[in-house]
Order: sequence, then C-alpha cells, then structure tokens
Amino acid sequence: AQSVAQPEDQVNVAEGNPLTVKCTYSVSGNPYLFWYVQYPNRGLQFLLKYITGDNLVKGSYGFEAEFNKSQTSFHLKKPSALVSDSALYFCAVSLGGATNKLIFGTGTLLAVQP
Amino acid sequence: EADIYQTPRYLVIGTGKKITLECSQTMGHDKMYWYQQDPGMELHLIHYSYGVNSTEKGDLSSESTVSRIRTEHFPLTLESARPSHTSQYLCASSRVLSLHEQYFGPGTRLTVT
Repeated sequence: AQSVAQPEDQVNVAEGNPLTVKCTYSVSGNPYLFWYVQYPNRGLQFLLKYITGDNLVKGSYGFEAEFNKSQTSFHLKKPSALVSDSALYFCAVSLGGATNKLIFGTGTLLAVQP
Repeated sequence: EADIYQTPRYLVIGTGKKITLECSQTMGHDKMYWYQQDPGMELHLIHYSYGVNSTEKGDLSSESTVSRIRTEHFPLTLESARPSHTSQYLCASSRVLSLHEQYFGPGTRLTVT
C-alpha cells in the first residue's frame, strides 16, 4: 500500500540552527514527492517538489529537500531556522496517473525558539 | 498566494441544517479536490473532480456531495449537518499532470452544534 510517514509529531530547534523534518515513503514505481507548509488558520502552501533529476531540490523560503531512493526518504532541511518558520509541515506523495491524488503524511509541527 | 477562494471561512450551524461550502479558482485548473482535516491535523481526501461534470469520491467516506458545473466552481454540500461533521474543509486545485502541485484555499472551519 502507498504511504507516507512523518515519524516526528514535533521538532524543536533554536533560531539560527539547522533544521530537518523527516519524511519516508512507500510507493510502487517512481514517486513524485512534495512538501507543504500550513500556518495557523490558513490553507496549505506548496514549498517544493521532487520529480526527477538532481536529488537535492530547492524551494521557497530557503528550504530544500533531499531525495534518497535507497532509504526511500525525502527529508526537508534549512541551514538556519527562523522563528517565522514555525508552522505545520506536510510531506506528500503523488500516486501518479490521471487522478493526481496526493497521500499526505500526518504532519510535523516545527517550533523555532528565539 | 494561489487564486483559490473558499467561503465562508468560519461557520457555526445547528444540527440538521443544510449547508454549502463554496470553492472557486481562477487558474483554469481542470482538477479540483476537497479534503477534510481532523483535529489531529491529518488530511483526508473526500471528493475530487477531473473536470466539468466529473466527480469522484475520495479515500475517506463522507456524507457530503459535490458538483462541478463550471470549471472554476466546486461546491460541497451537506444535506443535514451533524456534530460529527465538525472539521476543517480544504479545497484545492491542480493542473492536469500528477507531477503538478496542488494549490489550496484558506479553508472553511465548520462547527455543528
């Protein structure tokens, strides 16, 4: 069965430190992988995606993600966290085909302390 | 910010009432989706549409219904609201291919008393 796992409900990091939000996936075939961010009382905003090619993908607000096929992972990273990065982060995988349906992880709350 | 709109943003309504949650997008996207986001923050797909006059049920069973008469409009209706329908409802749209990201509206937070 297709699935996405975000093993950490919450990640705490001090402002200025690097951050990592973990995501692993289980899909058949080649995955299309996405990261979204959700601020309080808002919808989800697209951050970045991996389709093919370079394993390191750069996205909005200084975020990047590394695709690792052997470990079936797609961890979100940022070299220096900001307090304004505090939000809920979702990893998602596209099932492909005609529907473009996404399977979402359960979300990871990122808390950046000043 | 994506050009996808949802109204109302917040709705408190009594049990048994009929409600319609509105969703509109101005990007000309063929595909549209409704998600339900529960208190644990997990998202579940409840409806999607490939295009005009095309609707399908999603992965989570829902008592709601949808329609797609115009490309830009994808309303969700609950004929008789119940407290179990209390949740956040997110609408999204995307271009045709599965490699294309989805754009989300701001959501409607529904409370049924």
